[in-house]
Amino acid sequence: EAQVTQNPRYLITVTGKKLTVTCSQNMNHEYMSWYRQDPGLGLRQIYYSMNVEVTDKGDVPEGYKVSRKEKRNFPLILESPSPNQTSLYFCASRANEKLFFGSGTQLSVL
Amino acid sequence: DQQVKQNSPSLSVQEGRISILNCDYTNSMFDYFLWYKKYPAEGPTFLISISSIKDKNEDGRFTVFLNKSAKHLSLHIVPSQPGDSAVYFCAASWGTSGSRLTFGEGTQLTVNP
Repeated sequence: EAQVTQNPRYLITVTGKKLTVTCSQNMNHEYMSWYRQDPGLGLRQIYYSMNVEVTDKGDVPEGYKVSRKEKRNFPLILESPSPNQTSLYFCASRANEKLFFGSGTQLSVL
Repeated sequence: DQQVKQNSPSLSVQEGRISILNCDYTNSMFDYFLWYKKYPAEGPTFLISISSIKDKNEDGRFTVFLNKSAKHLSLHIVPSQPGDSAVYFCAASWGTSGSRLTFGEGTQLTVNP
């Protein structure tokens, strides 16, 4: 089944404790991206990757890192999480202008 | 500065009637517009799209209209069904190869049986 898989679905952590949210797609898509969803703000693009080893900033990249060492994986790294990064996160891959989203990761930073 | 705005946080319609969801944008460089539907505890799913060079695109019960002079986009669902109840996001792509995507705030549609 074609899908984008994110892990974990839920994560509670404390300020400053490094974490990684994994994202994997099995559709051989070149383009992948990360979004955060906050009430009243919709989804905002954090980072995107046009292909392996090519990443670039979206609208809200501060406090996040990404890597794209292989086509299928695009992890989101929070080196020192802060409470304002509490949010619902979505990873997506793209084909023909259409984004395919993962199920989301609800992150709470205490 | 929200470049894509959905001014109605919620919309309620009766089953069988038309649902009209609206979206306004400010950036004339947007080259592709898309609608996504989101159910609770799931990721958004693609619904329908329209290129900036067209003014209408239809797919079954769903039609998207684009008015470039007014910088306005609308999604029509006819007839509406209870299973259409979800949050609908309008989005616009721009940048190199459409690499950037800007979303609206979303509209919660409720279709009452």
